[in-house]
Amino acid sequence: KNQVEQSPQSLIILEGKNCTLQCNYTVSPFSNLRWYKQDTGRGPVSLTIMTFSENTKSNGRYTATLDADTKQSSLHITASQLSDSASYICVVSVSNSGYALNFGKGTSLLVTP
Amino acid sequence: DGGITQSPKYLFRKEGQNVTLSCEQNLNHDAMYWYRQDPGQGLRLIYYSQIVNDFQKGDIAEGYSVSREKKESFPLTVTSAQKNPTAFYLCASSIFEGGGNQPQHFGDGTRLSIL
Repeated sequence: KNQVEQSPQSLIILEGKNCTLQCNYTVSPFSNLRWYKQDTGRGPVSLTIMTFSENTKSNGRYTATLDADTKQSSLHITASQLSDSASYICVVSVSNSGYALNFGKGTSLLVTP
Repeated sequence: DGGITQSPKYLFRKEGQNVTLSCEQNLNHDAMYWYRQDPGQGLRLIYYSQIVNDFQKGDIAEGYSVSREKKESFPLTVTSAQKNPTAFYLCASSIFEGGGNQPQHFGDGTRLSIL
């Protein structure tokens, strides 16, 4: 059973609009949560990484939030651009195990003109 | 520019054939990883290496082999024992730090298909 669940599976929005992607996890003990952006046919690129004590982190138009109590994270994209069309992957890691990453299946975002 | 280079970008394998995927990094990272990505699934770990001449099996190592003779290089061989090798293969590297707080940097992948 996947310990990282993302929703929605896919999303279509108009250019310039905002959107929010969700990530729920059951991984324990929690170390950190990362959001990656993966363009079609390319490798994932890190957007944000948050530890237990952080509840928000921004990277330009991308803002990630983390609620470690409810084990939920969101990625908010502001003023979307066509180049935001990609898959967004939530990744949760376990404490003291740098290699043990738990990957969500990703949310596929399409931004249309 | 520092980064991870995977080659080739596309690879075709015949039945019964072994193929090797290349992964080179110039980030001076100690740790390197191989993942497999299938449509509609999250990335799954095949093998990882924390230091030269040492590597460990991940979740789906059967039918794959690796070597780590140099810090910069971590090639993956898909053997004929891997019955369903068609997938997108991603190599990654990171600073090795036991807390797992260092991000993994990914290459642009190799797409392997069966002829």
